[in-house]
Amino acid sequence: DTGVSQDPRHKITKRGQNVTFRCDPISEHNRLYWYRQTLGQGPEFLTYFQNEAQLEKSRLLSDRFSAERPKGSFSTLEIQRTEQGDSAMYLCASSWPGQGAAVYEQYFGPGTRLTVT
Amino acid sequence: DQQVKQNSPSLSVQEGRISILNCDYTNSMFDYFLWYKKYPAEGPTFLISISSIKDKNEDGRFTVFLNKSAKHLSLHIVPSQPGDSAVYFCAASATGGGADGLTFGKGTHLIIQP
Repeated sequence: DTGVSQDPRHKITKRGQNVTFRCDPISEHNRLYWYRQTLGQGPEFLTYFQNEAQLEKSRLLSDRFSAERPKGSFSTLEIQRTEQGDSAMYLCASSWPGQGAAVYEQYFGPGTRLTVT
Repeated sequence: DQQVKQNSPSLSVQEGRISILNCDYTNSMFDYFLWYKKYPAEGPTFLISISSIKDKNEDGRFTVFLNKSAKHLSLHIVPSQPGDSAVYFCAASATGGGADGLTFGKGTHLIIQP
């Protein structure tokens, strides 16, 4: 049983560079979420997909942030022109509101730690 | 403005005793609440949840209590074990299926003393 996986686990980049993170959800899960977590804070919701449709993106932090899930399986989160304030842990989660299952339980991956120098 | 508040940044409990972690919320639209546990360098792990139509949910050593009138929930761990040492996050959802994502508190670091 494979859980949610994220790649890379760590990314160090220079200010102004673009970065892209990948998330592979649990295979039968049709919902995929991205969160950001900074030091001393809880995860902060960014965006959400149901299959390939991005149903909520108003919480993305700026227009430098974008996410895709082209075939309804894996997803990518891209940050353009990175800033030092983007340094954080980026978490992906997935869920499956199947019949009889608890609708709201999201399962998280290990995260990608981004450091912008 | 924090809609989910965990006012205790840390809590130290002796092994074998009860651990009680507290969470308060301000948004009356929240209808589902979850607790997650997080170890360093790992993502949060789901522990237990409760719907707003219930006031208690139990799963093994973990029990969550919900007081809607007070907008307060708590997680009880009995008995506490060394492996319970972690950061615990309270989270809430206001729409069916979590379409708005989850709103998390800042977490409470639970330390179980031998």
